[in-house]
Amino acid sequence: AQTVTQSQPEMSVQEAETVTLSCTYDTSESDYYLFWYKQPPSRQMILVIRQEAYKQQNATENRFSVNFQKAAKSFSLKISDSQLGDAAMYFCAYKEGGAQKLVFGQGTRLTINP
Amino acid sequence: EPEVTQTPSHQVTQMGQEVILRCVPISNHLYFYWYRQILGQKVEFLVSFYNNEISEKSEIFDDQFSVERPDGSNFTLKIRSTKLEDSAMYFCASSEAAGSYEQYFGPGTRLTVT
Repeated sequence: AQTVTQSQPEMSVQEAETVTLSCTYDTSESDYYLFWYKQPPSRQMILVIRQEAYKQQNATENRFSVNFQKAAKSFSLKISDSQLGDAAMYFCAYKEGGAQKLVFGQGTRLTINP
Repeated sequence: EPEVTQTPSHQVTQMGQEVILRCVPISNHLYFYWYRQILGQKVEFLVSFYNNEISEKSEIFDDQFSVERPDGSNFTLKIRSTKLEDSAMYFCASSEAAGSYEQYFGPGTRLTVT
């Protein structure tokens, strides 16, 4: 079965600095997708960024970018110029190409220090 | 921007009682999902629903659970005879299609079984 591991339960960063959240996954599939979701306090989860496994280029969305290392099964999220509004729980998630379910990691709680 | 909504936000019930959790997915979405998160644990997939039938379910989704789309807007999760271990946050999600399409999550219903 596919598993997703986030080894950092908590991270903190100074406002305007850069932080990287780690995620590793285990799969024997070649067709899959990877996602980072953000869950602010008392708010719903929203998609931050997604990566298709067949794409070699790392996905980027404004201040958010990923480092996708397919051979190492690693999918880290880099947040540049951290802002107070980035404080949230961040979940890494995996989805097999032919399936519908998301498999989530344990989450990383990110704190932004002013 | 369209959102997935869920009611109630918090439900308290006694062990053995039936509960129905309600969700209104985004109107043009075709796939619907339920996930749950027991306090301190990962978000876990329960079931996906497409074209008025279950398309995928996890081993958690046993006979005590059922889903229904009773009309054109609501999507419900019924737990027939609640157990203490059903206490969790239940998230509804919807997506336009499968594949890499984003799953939009609702704010969740916190279910407490006493």
